Amino acid sequence: ETGVTQSPTHLIKTRGQQVTLRCSSQSGHNTVSWYQQALGQGPQFIFQYYREEENGRGNFPPRFSGLQFPNYSSELNVNALELDDSALYLCASSSPGGSETQYFGPGTRLLVL
Amino acid sequence: GESVGLHLPTLSVQEGDNSIINCAYSNSASDYFIWYKQESGKGPQFIIDIRSNMDKRQGQRVTVLLNKTVKHLSLQIAATQPGDSAVYFCAENIRGAQKLVFGQGTRLTINP
Repeated sequence: ETGVTQSPTHLIKTRGQQVTLRCSSQSGHNTVSWYQQALGQGPQFIFQYYREEENGRGNFPPRFSGLQFPNYSSELNVNALELDDSALYLCASSSPGGSETQYFGPGTRLLVL
Repeated sequence: GESVGLHLPTLSVQEGDNSIINCAYSNSASDYFIWYKQESGKGPQFIIDIRSNMDKRQGQRVTVLLNKTVKHLSLQIAATQPGDSAVYFCAENIRGAQKLVFGQGTRLTINP
């Protein structure tokens, strides 16, 4: 069974740029959730995708957007990057329609300069 | 409001001792709770979960206790090993919501 994978592992961007992060869900999981984890903090929910549609969103501005593909993989896009966007971005997958047991990938470390 | 917090930000125990990590939650609509372990540079790793209709659940060397009366959750790790050193997060799922709400985390250090 393949676990959740994310790419890239690390990324450096400058303010105002755009970034795309990618996630492949665990085998058999069709729901993907994205979280932002600032240093020393717990993960904060950004949004969830189920059946290729957004299925819940946290308190993040519209410049955070996402996609889910037919193979259940997902992308997180962030436009107009700000310094405070520097964080570990985590993707989690869960079984059909669920938001309960979520299994996390290793994360993408984003640094905005 | 929804919040999950932890009583102690850091905890140090001797190898072989038992450890207890505590967590308080505030949302009475939460019906599912999970403990995650996060090692440096890695994503959170699922440890154990418990539903709100239970008050105790045991796994391998770990036990989760849920006290709904005082909205308190704890994770007990028996016979701690060096590999248990990590940050531990409790997370709650609010009934009907799609998200997990995480606390700040407790850093557990196992001393040799």
